[in-house]
Amino acid sequence: DVKVTQSSRYLVKRTGEKVFLECVQDMDHENMFWYRQDPGLGLRLIYFSYDVKMKEKGDIPEGYSVSREKKERFSLILESASTNQTSMYLCASSKQGAGWTEAFFGQGTRLTVV
Amino acid sequence: AQSVTQLGSHVSVSEGALVLLRCNYSSSVPPYLFWYVQYPNQGLQLLLKYTSAATLVKGINGFEAEFKKSETSFHLTKPSAHMSDAAEYFCAVRRVDSSYKLIFGSGTRLLVRP
Repeated sequence: DVKVTQSSRYLVKRTGEKVFLECVQDMDHENMFWYRQDPGLGLRLIYFSYDVKMKEKGDIPEGYSVSREKKERFSLILESASTNQTSMYLCASSKQGAGWTEAFFGQGTRLTVV
Repeated sequence: AQSVTQLGSHVSVSEGALVLLRCNYSSSVPPYLFWYVQYPNQGLQLLLKYTSAATLVKGINGFEAEFKKSETSFHLTKPSAHMSDAAEYFCAVRRVDSSYKLIFGSGTRLLVRP
């Protein structure tokens, strides 16, 4: 069974803390994504990676960075957490290929910044 | 610019009734369109996709969607709602500038009354 695993389901962090959200996929996918999900706004892309050490900014990269040192792992970093980063974070992965390939999602990490 | 609009943040139906979730898109090129479902406390799962083949697309769990170019719509339907269909549903369109990235609508929460 294909799997995208996010390391935490729930996190509570303090304002100003450095926060790491980890995502691992076991499908040998080249593409990995971090989305943020907020009520009424749907999913918004934060960062995208298409290969090890390669990344692209998404629609809302401000306040975030990412790391992809290994193909299977994609980390989202909040350098200095703020209350407006309280949200649900979803990781996804997909295979590269001609046309379109399905993205598989993790279960999400609900982050609360206090 | 591409966009996806889902009409109605909440839709409530009785068990056994028709489900209709609305999605309109804008795209400068023939679109690839998708419906995803998110059950409580889970990630997103692909329900169905339109990739320029048949305009009526059948998905999992008895859902289907019809692509109507003249109306720029891709509404999701199911003839008879089941309690287990209660979830949030997202419509998405593939970006023109990247075959791996999607633009999501704001989501519609489906409530099924017994």
